[in-house]
Amino acid sequence: QSVLTQPPSVSAAPGQKVTISCSGSSSNIGNNYVSWYQQLPGTAPKLLIYENNKRPSGIPDRFSGSKSGTSATLGITGLQTGDEADYYCGTWDSSLSAGGEVFGTGTKVTVL
Amino acid sequence: QVQLQESGPGLVKPSQTLSLTCTVSGGSISSGGYYWSWIRQHPGKGLEWIGYIYYSGSTYYNPSLKSRVTISVDTSKNQFSLKLSSVTAADTAVYYCAGTRGYYDSSGYRNNWFDPWGQGTLVTVSS
Repeated sequence: QSVLTQPPSVSAAPGQKVTISCSGSSSNIGNNYVSWYQQLPGTAPKLLIYENNKRPSGIPDRFSGSKSGTSATLGITGLQTGDEADYYCGTWDSSLSAGGEVFGTGTKVTVL
Repeated sequence: QVQLQESGPGLVKPSQTLSLTCTVSGGSISSGGYYWSWIRQHPGKGLEWIGYIYYSGSTYYNPSLKSRVTISVDTSKNQFSLKLSSVTAADTAVYYCAGTRGYYDSSGYRNNWFDPWGQGTLVTVSS
């Protein structure tokens, strides 16, 4: 089971905003950087955010990331039907038992 | 632009070894700056990092899989590979390879991200 907890689903109407939380601990989010991935149905994940809040080239500024303490948040504004996907957070876990990269449980975004 | 493509058998028998290869194109696997990772996704489930390798051969594995995993690199072919031994039905998953940026900052914080990803390949463990 994942050490990073995300809500199973979030939804909003087109044009609205959604936020996705990613909750961890001091051994992971609290002392390492967070990245976020979008997985459209039937496709491979795609990098959305790295280094907590940076967007790769080509990712619109409708997507934003932030981190506070042992939690991180992905925000999506101006929601579009094409944003319907699963979203995962990821970070490094420094604990002996989980050492290495860990991912969140995933959140399904539905555009109403 | 770096692209990755997984290849290997789609069906493996229980107790045997799963073997996959990832071919890197559009850049050299030895150019540095990247680690090369394997990540899997069980049907309908989330992502699980398996491990990564640097072009020099240094590896780091998920502790939960470490006893069964070997990741290797062939710089002459611009490929890296995954071997997972003693597989069971629980190893049925889509396996992805991914380029990985990773470093420790001045405070000792780890910064890791995965980009690009291969398209993934489904491996089913069944007799």
